[in-house]
Amino acid sequence: GAVVSQHPSWVICKSGTSVKIECRSLDFQATTMFWYRQFPKQSLMLMATSNEGSKATYEQGVEKDKFLINHASLTLSTLTVTSAHPEDSSFYICSAPLVTGDTQYFGPGTRLTVL
Amino acid sequence: EDQVTQSPEALRLQEGESSSLNCSYTVSGLRGLFWYRQDPGKGPEFLFTLYSAGEEKEKERLKATLTKKESFLHITAPKPEDSATYLCAVQARGATNKLIFGTGTLLAVQP
Repeated sequence: GAVVSQHPSWVICKSGTSVKIECRSLDFQATTMFWYRQFPKQSLMLMATSNEGSKATYEQGVEKDKFLINHASLTLSTLTVTSAHPEDSSFYICSAPLVTGDTQYFGPGTRLTVL
Repeated sequence: EDQVTQSPEALRLQEGESSSLNCSYTVSGLRGLFWYRQDPGKGPEFLFTLYSAGEEKEKERLKATLTKKESFLHITAPKPEDSATYLCAVQARGATNKLIFGTGTLLAVQP
């Protein structure tokens, strides 16, 4: 299967600061990547679709000015949580399909804790 | 509205005790149904993709099947290392890759 990595695996920050999370496809190119959020004991919720060369598409209820997404290359997408608050503490996971529209492969996730 | 419901929420089995997990779905034209395994604190690990009713796929002790309304993940003679949360997700036609996840089944296999 395809390999997707994330960095960092965990981060702790103070309220009001910004945090950047990287998602990389290691052995394939991805024109599209996806960002999910998972709260404890809950399932994955899609936040946004990251598109290489164009703007990200956000799901209803997700603030695009708070969660900035940049798809810098065919192997890298970044999610920046701006002015983070404790309620943004969550497990953030990215995914990418080998072939557009097909099976998505997930990264290991990033645990964000905002104090 | 597209929806995925998984049952049971939690399942405890003895090692070697076979069972099945259920994923019921409502979707406006199914493009694909996906099964993932998720260990605590980690991202989902891909298991299977099913595209049409009647399709079956197997991998080691796991077998996934699909009908027009639901999918089953059959676990034969499970081992403790099969303990994890199993997630089901569907993708609708024309949904531009969006996956809709169920809430998962937490499986615990006791030795």
